[in-house]
Order: sequence, then structure tokens, then C-alpha cells
Amino acid sequence: DIVMTQSPESLAVSLGERATINCKSSQSVLYSSNSKSYLIWYQQKPGQPPKMLINWASTRESGVPDRFSGSGSGTDFTLTISSLQAEDVALYFCQQYYDIPYTFGQGTKVEIK
Amino acid sequence: EVQLVQSGAEVKKPGESLKISCKSSGYSFTNYWIGWVRQMPGKGLEWMGLIYPGDSDTRYSPSFQGQVTISVDKSISTAYLQWSSLRASDSAMYYCTRQDLRAWGQGTLVTVSS
Repeated sequence: DIVMTQSPESLAVSLGERATINCKSSQSVLYSSNSKSYLIWYQQKPGQPPKMLINWASTRESGVPDRFSGSGSGTDFTLTISSLQAEDVALYFCQQYYDIPYTFGQGTKVEIK
Repeated sequence: EVQLVQSGAEVKKPGESLKISCKSSGYSFTNYWIGWVRQMPGKGLEWMGLIYPGDSDTRYSPSFQGQVTISVDKSISTAYLQWSSLRASDSAMYYCTRQDLRAWGQGTLVTVSS
């Protein structure tokens, strides 16, 4: 299985400040045939299913605020919230879908400082 | 609009069997894999497996192989997750999701307690 290691476990950031979450895969999730990394970032709020924010490591989903951005390729990835808003308090997960079984990072809890 | 609607919460005793469902609408059911994900209370997400409704090709995560069965009924665009003998450790929220991982069911809470 591809192991996804996410850090930190929790993060407290002041409103308007930057939040950065890291995700590392135990092997590359980059398909050479299309140069895409099969890596998703999700946001999960209490009582709700996960919501896709970023696909292909860096492509923001329609309707997702542009303060959310993803970067990285291969094995190392980052989700950045450029200016934290109150509504961004949530759990954030990375997931690889390069190989079955698809696997998730452990999650990062983002709170307001 | 793509929708995945899951069956309601269940409370079961250890040793009992259970089958929960995920009904799809708004797209061609047989053309997209459906996956199941477990989330234990206060914990992260675990990928259980997925099924292709077109031919019932099923892939399980090694962690869940032999522990659960994933199936579909194409005639009613519904996927299922079932247990033959529940344990307390199966208590969790279970989500279904479509192949593209954008559409998710609302979740089914399973509680197993004596």
C-alpha cells in the first residue's frame, strides 16, 4: 500500500494568516504518461462527508475559494490556505488514487488561534 | 445532479449481519466505480474497496478483504456494503463515493453494541 504521511496533526492559525499542511507519499503518485500526480486534498467539517478542494495536486475544484492552493509533485505535496477564514475550521485530508487501495493521510485539524 | 443517498443509521449487536446501501442518481450508474470509506469516531478516513457496477469487478483494501462484501444491484442503481458478523470495532461512519471522488453519500452511522 502507498502510505500517506500528513503533517502537522493540528494547526492553530490567526484569522487572515497563512496555514500550510504537508503530505508525503511513500512512493511517487505521478503518472508519467500524463504528468499528473494523483493526489486530492479534502476538507471535512463535522457531520459532513469530505469535500474535494484540490485535484491533481494543484487544480482547484469549481467553487473553491482561491485562498486554497495545492502544490507539489511525485511524493511531496502542500495545501496552503493563504488567509485563514473562520469557515475554514475543519479537518483536511490528502488522498492518493494512483494505486489501489487508495489511501489517505491521517488528517490535519485546523483551528483559529 | 449527481446524488448518492445512503441508508439510515443502524444499531446492531455483535454477531449480527448488516447490509447498508448507497443509491445513485443523476448519471449512468454502470459507468463509474463506487467506493466505500470508513471513518471511525474521531478518526481519519480508511479506503475499504470499490466496485464497478458494469461487471461487478470488485477490489478490496487488504485491511478489509474478507471482513466485508461489496455488491451492486444495477436494476436499482444501488451499491451495498455488508457484514456477516458484526463486531464492536465495526462501529463507524461509512461513506460511499463515486469514482471521481467528487460525489459522496451523506454517510451511514453503524453502531455495534451489546
